[in-house]
Amino acid sequence: GAVVSQHPSRVICKSGTSVKIECRSLDFQATTMFWYRQFPKQSLMLMATSNEGSKATYEQGVEKDKFLINHASLTLSTLTVTSAHPEDSSFYICSARAGREHDNEQFFGPGTRLTVL
Amino acid sequence: DQQVKQNSPSLSVQEGRISILNCDYTNSMFDYFLWYKKYPAEGPTFLISISSIKDKNEDGRFTVFLNKSAKHLSLHIVPSQPGDSAVYFCAASRRPGTALIFGKGTTLSVSS
Repeated sequence: GAVVSQHPSRVICKSGTSVKIECRSLDFQATTMFWYRQFPKQSLMLMATSNEGSKATYEQGVEKDKFLINHASLTLSTLTVTSAHPEDSSFYICSARAGREHDNEQFFGPGTRLTVL
Repeated sequence: DQQVKQNSPSLSVQEGRISILNCDYTNSMFDYFLWYKKYPAEGPTFLISISSIKDKNEDGRFTVFLNKSAKHLSLHIVPSQPGDSAVYFCAASRRPGTALIFGKGTTLSVSS
């Protein structure tokens, strides 16, 4: 159990376009989802925390108007990179925190590799 | 300013031997620590965790030790197997279930 999926797994887009990444918890309800990104040879950096039905909380230095997060249901959160630029190219990973029985764990998705040309 | 540090980018160990991966942290508010294993182009997989009220937690071949006074934790893998070869991330949070702060990772290579 506790599977998290991400779609797409890989996306290449032109500079200036917007890209939407989906994160789904497949067999549990996720009250909280987290979005991270990882640059080559760097650690996973938290971008934002998203709670179902409320606005996301962004980390310092992350532009909320550029990285739009929507957590519309208990099983789906989306990250939209608006007006993407080459410096946004990265590996984006979501994680989902389950309810009470899995309070201590976050389950990670497989990640989305974004390349902006 | 990195709050979670893994100072060894890589570690090579022979099959059957012990692998010891180290992690240091600076934020005394961290109360919960985790180790994740990650393969390229995949998300991290949870391995083992420890809360600050303990100094040791064991799960099969994996043991995590926490030294709060030194703000240091380590992951021991015994015996190491070739399938353990991956990047290992240390992570910390202020309480279970909250956002994680990750180290940069240590690449473990286990040779047969």
